[in-house]
Amino acid sequence: KAGVTQTPRYLIKTRGQQVTLSCSPISGHRSVSWYQQTPGQGLQFLFEYFSETQRNKGNFPGRFSGRQFSNSRSEMNVSTLELGDSALYLCASSLWAGDQETQYFGPGTRLLVL
Amino acid sequence: GESVGLHLPTLSVQEGDNSIINCAYSNSASDYFIWYKQESGKGPQFIIDIRSNMDKRQGQRVTVLLNKTVKHLSLQIAATQPGDSAVYFCAENMGSNSGYALNFGKGTSLLVTP
Repeated sequence: KAGVTQTPRYLIKTRGQQVTLSCSPISGHRSVSWYQQTPGQGLQFLFEYFSETQRNKGNFPGRFSGRQFSNSRSEMNVSTLELGDSALYLCASSLWAGDQETQYFGPGTRLLVL
Repeated sequence: GESVGLHLPTLSVQEGDNSIINCAYSNSASDYFIWYKQESGKGPQFIIDIRSNMDKRQGQRVTVLLNKTVKHLSLQIAATQPGDSAVYFCAENMGSNSGYALNFGKGTSLLVTP
């Protein structure tokens, strides 16, 4: 079974631009979460989607948004990019969440903002 | 705010020895904990998890211990191998609505020397 896939793997943007990252969960998984990883702040939770609905949200500004499609694929968008948005963005999926099933992570998208 | 923290940022062990990585958590309401391993350039890889109704759980060469009295979590790796060299993260699930919002510790770098 294929793992979580994320596209693109690497991205370079300039300040003020916006970016959209994509995540395809493991087949059959319905919960998709997004995390930001930086050397200074570590791994921080952005948001979680389940059945196309945002179920949990972290403490990030409104410039960070996401959505989930009916096939469970998810996208996250960052508008008006800032230098501090440079990070590894990780997506994780799980089967469902009634009994806190294991979350599996993708390889991440590395975003560099210049 | 409440957070998950690691006692040791780096740990160096000899091949064949046992490794112990510690983690303190502060949210007494947390009921699900996970250990992840992250190698350079990859996303976090699930190692083992434990729910708050358990004190100990064993996997292949790994054991997780949970002490709810002192809010402490540990990961034990038996017969540590060079392939175990990585950064290890503990995480507690702080999500609501039966969902996910993992709060990660800062990580411990494990270095296995021959």
